[in-house]
Amino acid sequence: SQQGEEDPQALSIQEGENATMNCSYKTSINNLQWYRQNSGRGLVHLILIRSNEREKHSGRLRVTLDTSKKSSSLLITASRAADTASYFCATGGSRLTFGEGTQLTVNP
Amino acid sequence: DVKVTQSSRYLVKRTGEKVFLECVQDMDHENMFWYRQDPGLGLRLIYFSYDVKMKEKGDIPEGYSVSREKKERFSLILESASTNQTSMYLCASSRNTTIRSPGLNSNQPQHFGDGTRLSIL
Repeated sequence: SQQGEEDPQALSIQEGENATMNCSYKTSINNLQWYRQNSGRGLVHLILIRSNEREKHSGRLRVTLDTSKKSSSLLITASRAADTASYFCATGGSRLTFGEGTQLTVNP
Repeated sequence: DVKVTQSSRYLVKRTGEKVFLECVQDMDHENMFWYRQDPGLGLRLIYFSYDVKMKEKGDIPEGYSVSREKKERFSLILESASTNQTSMYLCASSRNTTIRSPGLNSNQPQHFGDGTRLSIL
């Protein structure tokens, strides 16, 4: 099955800095999705990028996709303490496969 | 906004009990999912359903069953709870836009509930 693997596992930065998280997957995809999970809560969908797209923006989020390298990155610019959460990439059709996530801590 | 509601945030049950976890969504979504989330193992799909009375096994269905009698409600049942079923359980729903291939659409996000943290003693 397709599987996303995030890197790094944990990231700690200061408020105002940019945070970059990477995701690698194994098989061809139709799209790749990024989700955020605050501690003790459910996942929240952030952004979906299709396989024919290379870059997508949503507010302070920028996602890139390189299908030749089977990888994607999520960039959060000008991070805030409220961005502290786990971030997951997911691939698949209706049956999504999630990676184990990157734990991002933004220090005030 | 889509709202997915799970009946309990925290639940404590005993080994051998039959446990019901309920999930309701209010957006008329065709697809519904049950995951469990464990440290170091990520999210794993237990069961999903792409229509009323339809169910498909996920990656770890053993020890679980599901029921989807109404479109908005998807129940997860632990037939005889065991300690290794202590976990965070997450329900999700999504829209199905592919009529000819139900459950196989690939461009719809999943919407999650807040989870049920289940402890089996």
